[in-house]
Amino acid sequence: QKEVEQNSGPLSVPEGAIASLNCTYSDRGSQSFFWYRQYSGKSPELIMFIYSNGDKEDGRFTAQLNKASQYVSLLIRDSQPSDSATYLCAVITNTNAGKSTFGDGTTLTVKP
Amino acid sequence: GAVVSQHPSRVICKSGTSVKIECRSLDFQATTMFWYRQFPKQSLMLMATSNEGSKATYEQGVEKDKFLINHASLTLSTLTVTSAHPEDSSFYICSAGPTSGGDLARYEQYFGPGTRLTVT
Repeated sequence: QKEVEQNSGPLSVPEGAIASLNCTYSDRGSQSFFWYRQYSGKSPELIMFIYSNGDKEDGRFTAQLNKASQYVSLLIRDSQPSDSATYLCAVITNTNAGKSTFGDGTTLTVKP
Repeated sequence: GAVVSQHPSRVICKSGTSVKIECRSLDFQATTMFWYRQFPKQSLMLMATSNEGSKATYEQGVEKDKFLINHASLTLSTLTVTSAHPEDSSFYICSAGPTSGGDLARYEQYFGPGTRLTVT
């Protein structure tokens, strides 16, 4: 089992819809959770981080964390074609000196 | 958010030569930086953790004598690919983050723009 698993994708949604990206992790000691967006040929860009159970909203983005179920999700409301990218989930545990463990990413395509 | 820069953004070198890549935190100090490599259509692969003032910690399978890391100041880490070969051609990315209260498990990382290395 991978330490961090994401929807295999690719995920395609129409413009204006809600895109839902999911991530599960295996280490119950995980403390910090991050979502990065990576456009083709570019480096990852941090878009959300969450530390506590519940929802965290930032503009069109909402991160949801459920530590009991060991999953974290990212919702993108009113999806735009510019949201088309690969989304990476990353997790930091309390034992790995700040290193992030990344999922393989989910590629999202928003169709006009 | 915090800003991390990398230089150069793109480099082409001949097989057998060495290439140095710089990673700088522009508006914060970073005691720890991370170096990643990414091949086309693949996920990020952590190569090593760069620690200011001490030796880098390499991930399993990464040759420390080939990928030399120096973290000489709180804002600069360098990765030198020694005796580069075509199979070293890849996208090299560094990341760093301002530590929150000294707790390494609770800080977000910001990535540099990456360096695309092509070895001919």
